[in-house]
Amino acid sequence: EDQVTQSPEALRLQEGESSSLNCSYTVSGLRGLFWYRQDPGKGPEFLFTLYSAGEEKEKERLKATLTKKESFLHITAPKPEDSATYLCAVHPNTDKLIFGTGTRLQVFP
Amino acid sequence: DTAVSQTPKYLVTQMGNDKSIKCEQNLGHDTMYWYKQDSKKFLKIMFSYNNKELIINETVPNRFSPKSPDKAHLNLHINSLELGDSAVYFCASSQDRGGQANYGYTFGSGTRLTVV
Repeated sequence: EDQVTQSPEALRLQEGESSSLNCSYTVSGLRGLFWYRQDPGKGPEFLFTLYSAGEEKEKERLKATLTKKESFLHITAPKPEDSATYLCAVHPNTDKLIFGTGTRLQVFP
Repeated sequence: DTAVSQTPKYLVTQMGNDKSIKCEQNLGHDTMYWYKQDSKKFLKIMFSYNNKELIINETVPNRFSPKSPDKAHLNLHINSLELGDSAVYFCASSQDRGGQANYGYTFGSGTRLTVV
C-alpha cells in the first residue's frame, strides 16, 4: 500500500537554528514527490516537486532533497515567518497525491 | 486574481441537514479535487474530476456527491450530515491528472464544516 510518513510531528527551533524535516515513503512507482507549506486557516501552498533520486531544489532558506526511500526538507537559519505545517505528498502510479500528516514547525525569535 | 475559491469558508449545521460547498478555479486547469483534512491535519482525497469526468471516487459514504457542471467548477453536496463529517474540506486543481506539472496542485483556502 502506498504510504507517506513524516517526522518529527512537531519541531521547535530558535531563530537561526538550522534543521531538517523527513518524509519517508513507500509507493508503487514514484512519479513525483511534492512539498507544501500550510499556514493556519489556509490551504496548502506548493513549494517543490522532485522527480528522481539525487534531485535537489532550493527556495530561499528551504532546500528539498530526494532519495529512493525518503525526502528531506532542510531549513537553513530559519526565521519566525517560516513557522507553518510542512506537508509531503507522493504521486504514485495513480491519479492522486497521497499526503503525509505533516510536520508542525515553530520558530521562535 | 487567479485562484481556487471555495464557499462558504465556515459552515455550522445540525446533524441530519443537507449542505453544499462550491468551488471554482480560473486557472484553466483540467483536473479538480476534493480533499478532507481531519483534526490531525491528514489530507485524504475524496474525489477527482478531469474535464467534468469523474476519475477518482475513494471510499466515501454515498451521502457525499460531487458535481462538476464544467471543468472550472466542482461542487460537493452532503446529505444527512453526521458528527463525523466535521472537518476542513479543500478543493484543489491541477493542470493535468495527478498534478504532474511543476507547480503541483493549487488549493483553495478550505471550508471548515462543523456538525452539531
